[in-house]
Amino acid sequence: GAGVSQSPSNKVTEKGKDVELRCDPISGHTALYWYRQSLGQGLEFLIYFQGNSAPDKSGLPSDRFSAERTGGSVSTLTIQRTQQEDSAVYLCASSLFPGGGRLGGTDTQYFGPGTRLTVL
Amino acid sequence: AQSVTQLDSHVSVSEGTPVLLRCNYSSSYSPSLFWYVQHPNKGLQLLLKYTSAATLVKGINGFEAEFKKSETSFHLTKPSAHMSDAAEYFCVVSTSSGGSYIPTFGRGTSLIVHP
Repeated sequence: GAGVSQSPSNKVTEKGKDVELRCDPISGHTALYWYRQSLGQGLEFLIYFQGNSAPDKSGLPSDRFSAERTGGSVSTLTIQRTQQEDSAVYLCASSLFPGGGRLGGTDTQYFGPGTRLTVL
Repeated sequence: AQSVTQLDSHVSVSEGTPVLLRCNYSSSYSPSLFWYVQHPNKGLQLLLKYTSAATLVKGINGFEAEFKKSETSFHLTKPSAHMSDAAEYFCVVSTSSGGSYIPTFGRGTSLIVHP
């Protein structure tokens, strides 16, 4: 079946503009994660959805960042009034369940190819 | 609380020689541990995962990792490196206790393979 898809693949914007990044998870996956990967850095957790709810928004860097998920499927990450430090690759991942049931732990995350955001 | 430390930011090997990428973790609960690989300009792909079953985990492309609780380690190994193994590797720890399902990623290890 289809994997996780993200759009656009690349986005160049001017400082101060708003951008929307989209993630289409694997069908049936209940959990969805957003991460940010800056050049030469590891993955920075942004937000996690269980269904349409976001139990953990602790990673959002500022109130300029927001995200929503509708129908337990597509998610949109919005960055308002973009700044140059927002330039990064934004990765989305989905998993069937966040918890691993009797085995514990968390389920495997499947990643999209990412959106490369450049703020000029 | 949980954390993960990848002990080397870069590892350089010759083609055909063994690979060792080191990872140490800390976790208040029984963890799940993962290794992901990211090739240039590609998304992350799961190599292997440990979820409290066998401590020696075999993954794709000939990689394996051993969970050692006493050493809080989950090092990734491969007997013989191939040029196509050159990529960024991420060690990940995650627990489901306390209702939080947020994995913690290491900073990554860049594997360089010389001909």
